[in-house]
Amino acid sequence: EAQVTQNPRYLITVTGKKLTVTCSQNMNHEYMSWYRQDPGLGLRQIYYSMNVEVTDKGDVPEGYKVSRKEKRNFPLILESPSPNQTSLYFCASRLTGAGGPEAFFGQGTRLTVV
Amino acid sequence: AQSVAQPEDQVNVAEGNPLTVKCTYSVSGNPYLFWYVQYPNRGLQFLLKYITGDNLVKGSYGFEAEFNKSQTSFHLKKPSALVSDSALYFCAVRDNTGKLIFGQGTTLQVKP
Repeated sequence: EAQVTQNPRYLITVTGKKLTVTCSQNMNHEYMSWYRQDPGLGLRQIYYSMNVEVTDKGDVPEGYKVSRKEKRNFPLILESPSPNQTSLYFCASRLTGAGGPEAFFGQGTRLTVV
Repeated sequence: AQSVAQPEDQVNVAEGNPLTVKCTYSVSGNPYLFWYVQYPNRGLQFLLKYITGDNLVKGSYGFEAEFNKSQTSFHLKKPSALVSDSALYFCAVRDNTGKLIFGQGTTLQVKP
């Protein structure tokens, strides 16, 4: 089954403790991205990757890191989480190219930083 | 700046009645427009998209959307709402970097 898999689904952590949220897709998509969802703000892009070893900042990159060493994986790293990073996070992937391919989203990771 | 607006936080409709969820956009060039639905504790699911061609786009679960270039709108519609359609709906436009710019979301409540 074609899917984007995020882990963990739920995470409670303390301020300053480094964490990684994993994202993996099995559709051989070139483009992957991370979004955060906050009430009243919709989803905002954190980082994106056009392909392996190619990453770039989205609209809200502060406090986050990403890497793209393999095509299928795109982990999100919070080196020193703070309470304002409490949010619902989504990973997404899609093909690139003409035709406006739609993005596929993971199930989400609900992160609470205390 | 490119943006998407969903003017209604919530839309309430009775089961069996038609529904409309509104979306307007601001983007330079030709827009790539999308609708996604989010059920509780689930990720976003793709409903439909407008890239080019016919202004009326049909998608999943009986939903359709009408692209109106002069009004810069892309309203989501369904002729007969179901209780199971109750969810959070997002309109989005793709910018020239490939990023999806989302509206703030509209909660659809369908009452029996």
